[in-house]
Amino acid sequence: DVKVTQSSRYLVKRTGEKVFLECVQDMDHENMFWYRQDPGLGLRLIYFSYDVKMKEKGDIPEGYSVSREKKERFSLILESASTNQTSMYLCASSFRVTGRTEAFFGQGTRLTVV
Amino acid sequence: GNSVTQMEGPVTLSEEAFLTINCTYTATGYPSLFWYVQYPGEGLQLLLKATKADDKGSNKGFEATYRKETTSFHLEKGSVQVSDSAVYFCVLGTASKLTFGTGTRLQVTL
Repeated sequence: DVKVTQSSRYLVKRTGEKVFLECVQDMDHENMFWYRQDPGLGLRLIYFSYDVKMKEKGDIPEGYSVSREKKERFSLILESASTNQTSMYLCASSFRVTGRTEAFFGQGTRLTVV
Repeated sequence: GNSVTQMEGPVTLSEEAFLTINCTYTATGYPSLFWYVQYPGEGLQLLLKATKADDKGSNKGFEATYRKETTSFHLEKGSVQVSDSAVYFCVLGTASKLTFGTGTRLQVTL
């Protein structure tokens, strides 16, 4: 079974803190993604990576950065957390041609910024 | 740009009722279409897909047909079960990107 594992299910952080969300996949997928999920808005793409050390901005990258030093690991960084970043964060991975193949998702990290 | 519109929820049905969740899309080129499902407390998982016009995707009793003429990909199931209660996402895929609908919550009661 393909596994996409996110390091935390729940996080509570203070405004201004630097926050790291970690994601690991075990299927040797080239592509990895970070989405945030908010009620009524569906999933919105924050960043994606199609190879080690490569990254591309998604639809809502402001306030976020990412790191992909190894193929299996993709990290999302909130440089200075704010309350409007309270959300569910979902990591996903897929083989290269994302639009034609299945994407596999982690269980999500529910982040609350207080 | 690409977009997906799916019906607002929540949808509440009795067990064994017929389900339709409407989905329409706007896209250039020849996208693939997917339905993903999110069960409570879990991430999304693929339910079914169709990669070209007139394809029918099916899985676990769910079906959807890729209709290019109406730009639609409606999800149907003939008889829902309580275990089908979840959030369903219609998704459009191009070469490098997935575009998600807002999701439709389905609640099935006994």
